[in-house]
Amino acid sequence: NAGVTQTPKFQVLKTGQSMTLQCAQDMNHEYMSWYRQDPGMGLRLIHYSVGAGITDQGEVPNGYNVSRSTTEDFPLRLLSAAPSQTSVYFCASGRVSPLHFGNGTRLTVT
Amino acid sequence: AQKVTQAQTEISVVEKEDVTLDCVYETRDTTYYLFWYKQPPSGELVFLIRRNSFDEQNEISGRYSWNFQKSTSSFNFTITASQVVDSAVYFCALSWPSGSARQLTFGSGTQLTVLP
Repeated sequence: NAGVTQTPKFQVLKTGQSMTLQCAQDMNHEYMSWYRQDPGMGLRLIHYSVGAGITDQGEVPNGYNVSRSTTEDFPLRLLSAAPSQTSVYFCASGRVSPLHFGNGTRLTVT
Repeated sequence: AQKVTQAQTEISVVEKEDVTLDCVYETRDTTYYLFWYKQPPSGELVFLIRRNSFDEQNEISGRYSWNFQKSTSSFNFTITASQVVDSAVYFCALSWPSGSARQLTFGSGTQLTVLP
């Protein structure tokens, strides 16, 4: 049972490049979400999904897109990376509570 | 709007000392959940406890205990007889919207260092 799997673990992008952070869970959870963690600011919710085909914005959605075509996967897309998006990104899933978090993706935008 | 304040940015104690991590929250919801998560140096997030707004009983789990007081909007976390392995960043979090336990607002975290 892998739980919540995030790939890649590390990524360096140049400003303006695009990429997709992958998140997959094998627990058949309806709910999935993305957070970013910045020094001194805790974790902030970017987007979340309550099921396949349904997504909604969190606290800091600008610059990020999501879609949910299957229950298992919830990718996070950066269409044009900016240095302000340098952060550690966590994906989480859960049936109700508590959330199960992935191990994070450390993204650096230069 | 929800807000979680962890005023202690860093705490350093010597092994076997007791330490309390403070958490103060703000919400207009009547039904909400409070959480504590641990983030060790390896970086993963480890769930420690969930408490709903209707349950003000304190909870003890081994060396960990939690004191939830709605009157002061606080949900403090105490580690008794701290150990080096307790060194981590600890986050307090509050759920939204009312009745939901899945969208979370996190505090900024408290870095706990336990010295041998």
